[in-house]
Amino acid sequence: AQKVTQAQTEISVVEKEDVTLDCVYETRDTTYYLFWYKQPPSGELVFLIRRNSFDEQNEISGRYSWNFQKSTSSFNFTITASQVVDSAVYFCALSDSPMNRDDKIIFGKGTRLHILP
Amino acid sequence: DSGVTQTPKHLITATGQRVTLRCSPRSGDLSVYWYQQSLDQGLQFLIQYYNGEERAKGNILERFSAQQFPDLHSELNLSSLELGDSALYFCASSVAGDEKLFFGSGTQLSVL
Repeated sequence: AQKVTQAQTEISVVEKEDVTLDCVYETRDTTYYLFWYKQPPSGELVFLIRRNSFDEQNEISGRYSWNFQKSTSSFNFTITASQVVDSAVYFCALSDSPMNRDDKIIFGKGTRLHILP
Repeated sequence: DSGVTQTPKHLITATGQRVTLRCSPRSGDLSVYWYQQSLDQGLQFLIQYYNGEERAKGNILERFSAQQFPDLHSELNLSSLELGDSALYFCASSVAGDEKLFFGSGTQLSVL
């Protein structure tokens, strides 16, 4: 069965510090997608990244980077030089049936990130 | 703006009542997903429709039902409401075969 675990419920860091949000997933499938979404205080969920299971290259987008490690079933998210605007709840998600008709996408419980000025 | 429209934004009702939440997906998106977000359960997948047909089902209660209409908008019906149904209900849409979801701003349901 699919499962996404975000063990960090809440994190607070001071602005300009780097912070890593952990995500561990479980799936029996060899083909799957992993995602990160951001939910700012306004409430709307915003897509950040999608990574398929065959692509283990790490990705960097500005101050954001993602470390996908199949060996540990982890897909961690790092924000470098954090800013107050990064304060939000961040969700990791998994879809393990992208080639099937069932497109159920399961979310972790989220990590609430506070960036302190 | 994600392009996904949800109405109403807020809904206050009493236990035992029935409500309908509406979602208009992004133009061209065939898939619609419904999620429930509560403080203790996080984001729970309820149900997915693709081009009018139910495609995947999650932890959706029997008191809840949904449908997707020919114009691709979707409705989530919640009946015999209980206090515990109070939550933020999100709709999301995606292009067929692409799991990148675009979320609406949600409907905040308060059951009193």
